[in-house]
Amino acid sequence: DAKTTQPTSMDCAEGRAANLPCNHSTISGNEYVYWYRQIHSQGPQYIIHGLKNNETNEMASLIITEDRKSSTLILPHATLRDTAVYYCIVRHYTDKLIFGTGTRLQVFP
Amino acid sequence: ETGVTQSPTHLIKTRGQQVTLRCSSQSGHNTVSWYQQALGQGPQFIFQYYREEENGRGNFPPRFSGLQFPNYSSELNVNALELDDSALYLCASSPGLAGSYEQYFGPGTRLTVT
Repeated sequence: DAKTTQPTSMDCAEGRAANLPCNHSTISGNEYVYWYRQIHSQGPQYIIHGLKNNETNEMASLIITEDRKSSTLILPHATLRDTAVYYCIVRHYTDKLIFGTGTRLQVFP
Repeated sequence: ETGVTQSPTHLIKTRGQQVTLRCSSQSGHNTVSWYQQALGQGPQFIFQYYREEENGRGNFPPRFSGLQFPNYSSELNVNALELDDSALYLCASSPGLAGSYEQYFGPGTRLTVT
């Protein structure tokens, strides 16, 4: 079973920041937090990952709380092409990804 | 750099038949994982291959089997197809097993069992 809890769906206006929350209260010390997204009918796409520090790349920022029990993925300026299902995953060294049902983000004009 | 490719794109089979799906991993990647994604669900882990050996398996019956070749490409075989096997089958490759490596997914093979 997935170790994360995410809202089923969210809306965001184009050009605004999209903040996608994720709860992972049972995360262990050596598990990373990963985010993937899946645009309709495509394979999932890696976005970002982190262990305990906040991370930023060209796609997004990942904010992990100090107790590591929750995190937020931030898309700073959402576009229509960011409409997708976003998956938050905690992952052990075995490299296995366990997907939940994710958050369906709808970006509207 | 070539990404992960899968073939075929779409496939229609009859219940009871056998199917083989193929995946070419990204250059330099020695680990391949297979996932099944039913409509409206997240991908479910089937199994993983690392340097030609199975390295972990999800909750799938033995009629789901796989291979990894010396060039790290991979096959997923499903015997005695059932209607519930209809799904998108995804292959993902990564440069190793360590937890900090991201996985790169292919576009998937859409299997329909009638």
